[in-house]
Amino acid sequence: KQEVTQIPAALSVPEGENLVLNCSFTDSAIYNLQWFRQDPGKGLTSLLLIQSSQREQTSGRLNASLDKSSGRSTLYIAASQPGDSATYLCAVRGGSNYQLIWGAGTKLIIKP
Amino acid sequence: GAGVSQSPSNKVTEKGKDVELRCDPISGHTALYWYRQSLGQGLEFLIYFQGNSAPDKSGLPSDRFSAERTGGSVSTLTIQRTQQEDSAVYLCASVRELAYGYTFGSGTRLTVV
Repeated sequence: KQEVTQIPAALSVPEGENLVLNCSFTDSAIYNLQWFRQDPGKGLTSLLLIQSSQREQTSGRLNASLDKSSGRSTLYIAASQPGDSATYLCAVRGGSNYQLIWGAGTKLIIKP
Repeated sequence: GAGVSQSPSNKVTEKGKDVELRCDPISGHTALYWYRQSLGQGLEFLIYFQGNSAPDKSGLPSDRFSAERTGGSVSTLTIQRTQQEDSAVYLCASVRELAYGYTFGSGTRLTVV
C-alpha cells in the first residue's frame, strides 16, 4: 500500500532564504508525482507535475526533483518571499491507478 | 472554461436539510473527482468519474451522499439530511488524461448549523 510522507510538517524561515521541502513514498511504482500549494481556506493550486520518467521540473523559483528508486521528491524554493507562505502538498499516482495518494503537507511560513 | 468552477463558494445550511454542490470541469477533461477537507485535515477522496464508466463511489462516507455527472461534464454532489460532521470544504478536480495532473476548483465551504 502506497504511503506518502512529508517532512517537515511545518517550517518557518526568513524571507530570502532558499529552502527544500521533502516528500517520500513507499512504493516506487508511480506514474507521476504532483506538488500543490494550498492557501488558508482556499483550494489547491498545482505547482509542478513530474512524470515517472522525468528527474525534475522547474517553474520560476520552484524546482521539483524525483528519485523513484529511493522513493523521494524534493521541492526547492529559491529566494523565498512572504507570498510563498502556504501549505505544500505532494501527491503520487501509482501505476495505472487513477487515485492520488496524498502527503499530509508542509506548512511553510516565510517571515518578512 | 479556463479552470474548474465550483458553486456555491460558500453554503450555510441547517442540520437535516439537503444540499447540492456543483462542479463544472475543464472542457475536454475526461475524469472528475470529488474530495472533501475538514478543518485542519488532509484530503478525503469521495468519488471518481471517468468517461462513461461506472463511477468509483468507494469514498462516499454514507448513503446520504450521492453524485452524478451529466453528459460527461458537470457534476453534482448531493448530501441529504446534512449533519454537522458534514461541514467541510468540498473540492472538485478534473484531469485530462492519466498522464496529466489534477486541476482543482476553489471548493465549496459547507457549514451545517
